[in-house]
Amino acid sequence: DAGITQSPRHKVTETGTPVTLRCHQTENHRYMYWYRQDPGHGLRLIHYSYGVKDTDKGEVSDGYSVSRSKTEDFLLTLESATSSQTSVYFCAIRQGDRGYNEQFFGPGTRLTVL
Amino acid sequence: GNSVTQMEGPVTLSEEAFLTINCTYTATGYPSLFWYVQYPGEGLQLLLKATKADDKGSNKGFEATYRKETTSFHLEKGSVQVSDSAVYFCALINTGFQKLVFGTGTRLLVSP
Repeated sequence: DAGITQSPRHKVTETGTPVTLRCHQTENHRYMYWYRQDPGHGLRLIHYSYGVKDTDKGEVSDGYSVSRSKTEDFLLTLESATSSQTSVYFCAIRQGDRGYNEQFFGPGTRLTVL
Repeated sequence: GNSVTQMEGPVTLSEEAFLTINCTYTATGYPSLFWYVQYPGEGLQLLLKATKADDKGSNKGFEATYRKETTSFHLEKGSVQVSDSAVYFCALINTGFQKLVFGTGTRLLVSP
């Protein structure tokens, strides 16, 4: 257990509304990630962070923004949710600063956009 | 670019059968390779890993060997149990890019 929690765990919202998902870690890891999981696609990286206020885009970043003002929290925001953003969202941390260090995942947030 | 290809599922087996889930990859340089498992309703858990050619990762009776010559990292288990029913993801990380790249996942269903 890498001490990762995600909130909320489930959310239903309407198209056009803003949504923020929170990832919280208790072990002071530098690297944090947001992925989405969709059938037939596995997990795809949305954004990641390599320190407070340091973030970068992943392969499916359009329509998403992130913020990291504290080491322990990494927020994912959908500025105006669309039905194509219905998915399961996973946060992850990397244990260590080496590129080959493994990532550990949170329990996920199931988001439905109607 | 970097990519991972897994066999399509579901893989359906009877308890105590031998399991193989194929995984091949494309990458520049020398990636590290991982298998993750996702049980129903849960997040992903790291199952095993290998960081260089010919390394064998193992955990909970599962094994996978990093084969650079065939660019493969097939997952095997000698005798599966009903509790092994889950989705298995092969993944790589290329240290130059520092990002995990996942396969699409293979669902395993084990019946008593």
